[in-house]
Amino acid sequence: GQNIDQPTEMTATEGAIVQINCTYQTSGFNGLFWYQQHAGEAPTFLSYNVLDGLEEKGRFSSFLSRSKGYSYLLLKELQMKDSASYLCSVMRSNYQLIWGAGTKLIIKP
Amino acid sequence: ETGVTQTPRHLVMGMTNKKSLKCEQHLGHNAMYWYKQSAKKPLELMFVYNFKEQTENNSVPSRFSPECPNSSHLFLHLHTLQPEDSALYLCASSQDRTSGSLTQYFGPGTRLLVL
Repeated sequence: GQNIDQPTEMTATEGAIVQINCTYQTSGFNGLFWYQQHAGEAPTFLSYNVLDGLEEKGRFSSFLSRSKGYSYLLLKELQMKDSASYLCSVMRSNYQLIWGAGTKLIIKP
Repeated sequence: ETGVTQTPRHLVMGMTNKKSLKCEQHLGHNAMYWYKQSAKKPLELMFVYNFKEQTENNSVPSRFSPECPNSSHLFLHLHTLQPEDSALYLCASSQDRTSGSLTQYFGPGTRLLVL
């Protein structure tokens, strides 16, 4: 079957580092996306990985291992505004996106 | 500002009402999508349009009827909905369905409550 697993909720401290994991099982693979969604707002694109390895973009980095069906989103120097849900999604070979339920990240002072 | 707008932002309707959700994208994209987002559940893809043609309908009940008059506009017509249809309805667009940048850009959504 097709499924994506990510933790439901995580808590971290302002200024710290947090890693949000995502594991997936899909038929075919055309890349993995991470989105950020603040409550009541649109999901906004963070990163896209289609090859193995680490992609760094400012305070955010995303890692992919296709052989393990595994990705993580790494957030450094956490700020209060990073409190949001983080959505992992995988594009299948038919270009359909399969979505995880999202990880709610709570940042404490 | 994501370049994708949706109206209305909030909607309350009875089960016998007819209403429409509107989505407009200002990104020059050719593919548009409707998603349903329920609390603590993954996004559910409802419909996909590519170059104004519907390419996917993920077994959505007929009480939801999409319309795509051009590549910039997408509508979702609602008729005799059920309370379980209450959710956030998100519109998204991408450059194309299968080529170019595959990244989808979302609108802010319409929060729908069916009474």
